[in-house]
Amino acid sequence: ETGVTQSPTHLIKTRGQQVTLRCSSQSGHNTVSWYQQALGQGPQFIFQYYREEENGRGNFPPRFSGLQFPNYSSELNVNALELDDSALYLCASSVAGRYEQYFGPGTRLTVT
Amino acid sequence: EDKVVQSPLSLVVHEGDTVTLNCSYEVTNFRSLLWYKQEKKAPTFLFMLTSSGIEKKSGRLSSILDKKELFSILNITATQTGDSAVYLCAVLTGAGSYQLTFGKGTKLSVIP
Repeated sequence: ETGVTQSPTHLIKTRGQQVTLRCSSQSGHNTVSWYQQALGQGPQFIFQYYREEENGRGNFPPRFSGLQFPNYSSELNVNALELDDSALYLCASSVAGRYEQYFGPGTRLTVT
Repeated sequence: EDKVVQSPLSLVVHEGDTVTLNCSYEVTNFRSLLWYKQEKKAPTFLFMLTSSGIEKKSGRLSSILDKKELFSILNITATQTGDSAVYLCAVLTGAGSYQLTFGKGTKLSVIP
């Protein structure tokens, strides 16, 4: 098991609502990346945070936003939820400049 | 657009069989190729391959990378029911900010 934790485990929201997901990185890791994994698909890169700033972004609209805090933990915010946002959201922590990324258990988001 | 293709998408074998999972890629700014095992939620790290032709081994699992032909294989010998999972191949790309591009995964089912 990695030291990456995520909360909540499961979440059900209604279309149009907003959601915040949280991630605590593994001890000593200063970079957090977020991924979206739809059912039956591989994870897709949303964005990465390093030194509290966004440091790379995938093909996701601006309603997906994030934060990183001084203790390296991170939040993913999604506004104006759509049905297609239903997925497993994974965060991965790493050390800047190192290649290995270690994943948390994920948050399962269901949008109805 | 970066692309990672895994084959087969699913595989059913009997305990004791040997399996080979394939991963091919077309990306820019290649840094490394990583294999993960995903049983329920969190992908767990198996291997990272950066150099061609050097086999990585961990118990019954081994993997090798061919950077000229742009592919990697993951071998599992003497399969056990506990090997049943989705195996994800991901390529790390980027300069300054590193992101993983995943394939869709190979679902391996090992039956007694």
